[in-house]
Amino acid sequence: DAGITQSPRHKVTETGTPVTLRCHQTENHRYMYWYRQDPGHGLRLIHYSYGVKDTDKGEVSDGYSVSRSKTEDFLLTLESATSSQTSVYFCAIRGSGTGELFFGEGSRLTVL
Amino acid sequence: EDQVTQSPEALRLQEGESSSLNCSYTVSGLRGLFWYRQDPGKGPEFLFTLYSAGEEKEKERLKATLTKKESFLHITAPKPEDSATYLCAVQDSLSGTASKLTFGTGTRLQVTL
Repeated sequence: DAGITQSPRHKVTETGTPVTLRCHQTENHRYMYWYRQDPGHGLRLIHYSYGVKDTDKGEVSDGYSVSRSKTEDFLLTLESATSSQTSVYFCAIRGSGTGELFFGEGSRLTVL
Repeated sequence: EDQVTQSPEALRLQEGESSSLNCSYTVSGLRGLFWYRQDPGKGPEFLFTLYSAGEEKEKERLKATLTKKESFLHITAPKPEDSATYLCAVQDSLSGTASKLTFGTGTRLQVTL
């Protein structure tokens, strides 16, 4: 158990509405990540953080923003949700080893 | 651009029937190759990290091996509880300490009695 909690676990929203997903960790890890998982695409990196207020883009960052105001919380925001953002979103932390990531249980988002 | 291709997409085995899953990759420099297991509705669960060609790791009925172009996940005498999707990922040496992993689409394994 990597001590990661994602919320909400399920959300249905309408096109054009803002959505924020939260990732909370309890073990003071420096690196945190947001991935999305879609059939046929595998897991794709959206954004990651390497410390409080330090974030960078991944390969599919358009339409998403992130914030990390404290070590334990990493927020993913969809400013104006679109149907193409319907997906399962996973938060991850980097372990204390040499590169492996540990994932949360996921947040399933449906944009109608 | 890093690429990871897993095959087969799906595999159905009978209990006790050993087999292998393949992960072929293209990276400018391999920092690490990772195997994960994912059950339906759950997050990926870390299994192994491999760093250099010739390396092997084992855990119960699973053994992961690595060459310069691909990795295999060997499943010996599988049981129904081994049914899951197995994901492979690579970390490029150019990513520095950021651990930005590139994932394959996975192999969906079903083990029947």
